[in-house]
Amino acid sequence: AQTVTQSQPEMSVQEAETVTLSCTYDTSESDYYLFWYKQPPSRQMILVIRQEAYKQQNATENRFSVNFQKAAKSFSLKISDSQLGDAAMYFCALKRDAGNMLTFGGGTRLMVKP
Amino acid sequence: DTEVTQTPKHLVMGMTNKKSLKCEQHMGHRAMYWYKQKAKKPPELMFVYSYEKLSINESVPSRFSPECPNSSLLNLHLHALQPEDSALYLCASSQVGGMWSQPQHFGDGTRLSIL
Repeated sequence: AQTVTQSQPEMSVQEAETVTLSCTYDTSESDYYLFWYKQPPSRQMILVIRQEAYKQQNATENRFSVNFQKAAKSFSLKISDSQLGDAAMYFCALKRDAGNMLTFGGGTRLMVKP
Repeated sequence: DTEVTQTPKHLVMGMTNKKSLKCEQHMGHRAMYWYKQKAKKPPELMFVYSYEKLSINESVPSRFSPECPNSSLLNLHLHALQPEDSALYLCASSQVGGMWSQPQHFGDGTRLSIL
C-alpha cells in the first residue's frame, strides 16, 4: 500500500518571502511519479509541478521547485517570491508507474499575508 | 480555462431525487475519473474508466452509478442519496499508460448538497 503524509495542516508566509511545504511518502515501487497540486477556493485542482522518481535532478517550474530526496522518501515544495494568488490548499500526490491511480496527502493550507 | 468541463457547478437535491453529473474533455484522454472531496480533505477516488470501460470501483455504494458513453464524456448518475453524500465531486482525465508520468487534469467540480 502507498501512503502520502503532509505534516503541516496550515502554513503562512509573508508576500515576497519563500515557504517550503513538506511531504513524505511510502511505496514499495521502484518507478513512480510525484506531483504537487494546488486547489484554490475556486475548487479546481491545478498541477503545480511533477517529478519522475528515476530523475535525480529536482524539478522546477518558475517560482516553484522541489527538493526530492528518494532515499528519505521526501518531496518538499518550495515557493519563492510568494504571491497573494498562491494562497490555496496544496496536495502532494504519488502515482505508481503502472496504473493511473493517485494517492493524495492530507493537504496543507497556505495563507499569504500582504 | 478549464480543459475538463463539469456541469452543473452546483446541485441541490432531495434524497428521493434522481440527477446526473456530467464531465466532458476534448484532450484525447482515454482515462477518466470521479472523485469525492469533503471540506478540507483530499479527493477520494470513486471510479476509473479506461478506454470507456470501468476499470476501478472503490467500493462505492450503488446509489452512485457511473457511465462513460464515449471517450470524451463521463456521467455520474445519482439516486436516493444520503445527507453524508454532500460533497464536491471532481472529474479528472489523463492519458493512459506510457513510460512517462501522466498527470491528471481536473475539472472545477460540482458542489452537491443533499437535503
